[in-house]
Amino acid sequence: GAVVSQHPSRVICKSGTSVKIECRSLDFQATTMFWYRQFPKQSLMLMATSNEGSKATYEQGVEKDKFLINHASLTLSTLTVTSAHPEDSSFYICSARSAGTYEQYFGPGTRLTVT
Amino acid sequence: AQSVTQLDSQVPVFEEAPVELRCNYSSSVSVYLFWYVQYPNQGLQLLLKYLSGSTLVESINGFEAEFNKSQTSFHLRKPSVHISDTAEYFCAVSEPGNTGKLIFGQGTTLQVKP
Repeated sequence: GAVVSQHPSRVICKSGTSVKIECRSLDFQATTMFWYRQFPKQSLMLMATSNEGSKATYEQGVEKDKFLINHASLTLSTLTVTSAHPEDSSFYICSARSAGTYEQYFGPGTRLTVT
Repeated sequence: AQSVTQLDSQVPVFEEAPVELRCNYSSSVSVYLFWYVQYPNQGLQLLLKYLSGSTLVESINGFEAEFNKSQTSFHLRKPSVHISDTAEYFCAVSEPGNTGKLIFGQGTTLQVKP
């Protein structure tokens, strides 16, 4: 149980285009989802926290207009990187948590490369 | 503000030797503590957690960690490592509460050599 999927696993896009990454909780209801960014050989940096049906809360320094997060249902959250640039290339990981629990379940990550 | 420090960026060790990965945290309130493992190009898997109760927690694959409040530490140990334990290990802290935000340490690469 407690499986989180991400799609796509890898994506290459051209500079200036937008990319959408999906995060799904497959066997539980995710009232809260988190989006992280990880650079090579570095730790995970929390980008934003989203609760189902409400606006995401972004961490300091994260551009909310560039990284659009939607958590429209209890099993799906999306991260859209708008007008992507090469510096947005990174490994994006989502996690999900159900109500009343403290454990986060992580997705396998999405490798974004912007050319 | 909370922070997590993993004192070793890389830990090379021979197979079947014991290992300790160190983790220290700072927080002005009580915390929950976690160790996660990440294999190459994969997401994170929970290894073990401390929420309350016994300060010694164990995982199913032989790892254990001990919460030491006075030293604000949560070091991860295994008495005998396997090649398959080679991975990146992250210590994380969370404040009890509704947000559930995790603050991660910098990570420690465990390299198990034959």
